[in-house]
Formats: sequence, C-alpha cells, structure tokens
Amino acid sequence: DSGVTQTPKHLITATGQRVTLRCSPRSGDLSVYWYQQSLDQGLQFLIQYYNGEERAKGNILERFSAQQFPDLHSELNLSSLELGDSALYFCASSREPGLAPDTQYFGPGTRLTVL
Amino acid sequence: GENVEQHPSTLSVQEGDSAVIKCTYSDSASNYFPWYKQELGKRPQLIIDIRSNVGEKKDQRIAVTLNKTAKHFSLHITETQPEDSAVYFCAASRRNGGATNKLIFGTGTLLAVQP
Repeated sequence: DSGVTQTPKHLITATGQRVTLRCSPRSGDLSVYWYQQSLDQGLQFLIQYYNGEERAKGNILERFSAQQFPDLHSELNLSSLELGDSALYFCASSREPGLAPDTQYFGPGTRLTVL
Repeated sequence: GENVEQHPSTLSVQEGDSAVIKCTYSDSASNYFPWYKQELGKRPQLIIDIRSNVGEKKDQRIAVTLNKTAKHFSLHITETQPEDSAVYFCAASRRNGGATNKLIFGTGTLLAVQP
C-alpha cells in the first residue's frame, strides 16, 4: 500500500457524460500528479498540482480539468466523455518537487470505461 | 520534445537467468530516472531509481546503470524468479528546486520469467 488513495476503483459511464475522479495523497505530500494509462498511449502525464496550485500541464485535453483543495486532495474532472477516454487514471503524490525525497508514489488507479 | 524510448517491448527468460531492459531519453536536462514494476491491473510500484550524479545503483537482485553522455540507462535483474514477471517502465524527469518533476515514461517491457 503506497498511502495514496483513489476513488472510485471502477467507473462505467456513457459517451457525453461527466465524471469526477478523486485522489488523496500520502500524509505530508504536497504535490499531486495525474497520469492516464491506455493501451495505445502508455502512461502519460496529464497535470500536476503543488500545494493547491497548478504546477505543470502535460497531454491533458481541454475537456479535462483538475484542482487541488486546501486539504491537499485532488479531483480530476472529465467531461463530454468519448470512447477513447476509457483508460486507467492514476494519481501519484510526492513531497515538494525538487527536494529529496521526491519519489512519486502511485495510487491504485480508477478504471474508467466509456460505453 | 521530451521522449523516452524503451527496449525490448517483450522479454522472456528462464528462471535464474538475467534480464536487461534499456531506455534512452531525449531531454539532456533529465536528472532523475526511476523504474516502476506494474502487475496486471495494479498500480506502478517503484523498484529502484537513480540520480544523475551516480553511475550505478544496486539493490539486491536489481541494479540500474546510467550513461549520461549517451543518455541511456538500463535495468538489470539477476537470478530472475517467476514473481518478477510483470511490465516494467522506465521514466525520466528533471528534478529542479521549485519546478515540476513530472515523469516521462517509456513504453514498457513485458517480462515473462518461465519456471
């Protein structure tokens, strides 16, 4: 167990819908990262938050958004869902970026299926 | 842009043999290189990492080597066991104070250890 929690474990929804994925980082970790894992794209960085502020953006679609709350948990919002959004979504957390230790620990993931 | 290439995509070895997985990165500013093991449907788990000020690191049966000049790094597993069977991902990131340390992942290697 990495100490990072994610809910829900599984999510099945229809095209055009909107869903919210939730992540709680390890105790003491200030930074949260979201990654998408699909069969054709592998593990791709989506977005990073540090202490409530957006720190970096990767290959994140405009239909996707995220935020980090004062208690440091983070939510990833996916809207206007398409079949191609079906994937495993992982959250990872670390201490302050750039300062050791900054290892990223991954949560168990949310499997999203869009029908 | 930032890219990490990983080879081979699949690797089958006999129990007790060694396995080697190689990665090449494009961003010369990368200075942190973790390796993750992922079992089917599970989260990526960090197994070893290396920072750019070190050329080699070993942890029991696992070792990682880094060649900064050639921009490549490798994972070595000795005395493989069936429980080593999984997908292995290499990754690269910049570890700078105050900046993002998002992970850029390789495409993964499916390691099968035959008993």
